Amino acid sequence: GQQLNQSPQSMFIQEGEDVSMNCTSSSIFNTWLWYKQDPGEGPVLLIALYKAGELTSNGRLTAQFGITRKDSFLNISASIPSDVGIYFCAGLNQAGTALIFGKGTTLSVSS
Amino acid sequence: DGGITQSPKYLFRKEGQNVTLSCEQNLNHDAMYWYRQDPGQGLRLIYYSQIVNDFQKGDIAEGYSVSREKKESFPLTVTSAQKNPTAFYLCATQGQGRIMNTEAFFGQGTRLTVV
Repeated sequence: GQQLNQSPQSMFIQEGEDVSMNCTSSSIFNTWLWYKQDPGEGPVLLIALYKAGELTSNGRLTAQFGITRKDSFLNISASIPSDVGIYFCAGLNQAGTALIFGKGTTLSVSS
Repeated sequence: DGGITQSPKYLFRKEGQNVTLSCEQNLNHDAMYWYRQDPGQGLRLIYYSQIVNDFQKGDIAEGYSVSREKKESFPLTVTSAQKNPTAFYLCATQGQGRIMNTEAFFGQGTRLTVV
């Protein structure tokens, strides 16, 4: 079935640093979504991408939908302690019936 | 308040017992989903329902059952046939984004522990 490969698995950074994570697949996706999950909570949608090549920002977050439609990246600029959490990429499955999720990138920020 | 409510937040179950997790939404979304989350595994789809009185198996449906008698409710039963039920369970709904039914919204989750 369709799979999303997310990397890196974890990151340990200093407050103020920029962060980049990405998601790739051997299949084409028509929608890419990025979520953040705080410990013990449900994921919250950060950015949604619908068009190949699209670059979208949400505050310090920027995400891009790859031209091949097989990848996407998320950048976080000037990280702060509350950026800590697990970041998931997700794409709509081929049937268009449900989202498939990557395994997540765990971000730790030290002040 | 509009949203998705999962209850309980924490649930303990004895081995061999069935248990039902509740998911209620007042977002008027047609589609509802159940995901299971294990450490390092991401979110895996258990069951989903696109409309009342209809539901489909996801990738890991064995040992689980669902019902969708009302638009607002999509309860998940973890049966004794589920061999490794301890996990964090997330309910989600899908509503309109720029393209209909592509953005999922999640509840707060239920952590199930088998003792």
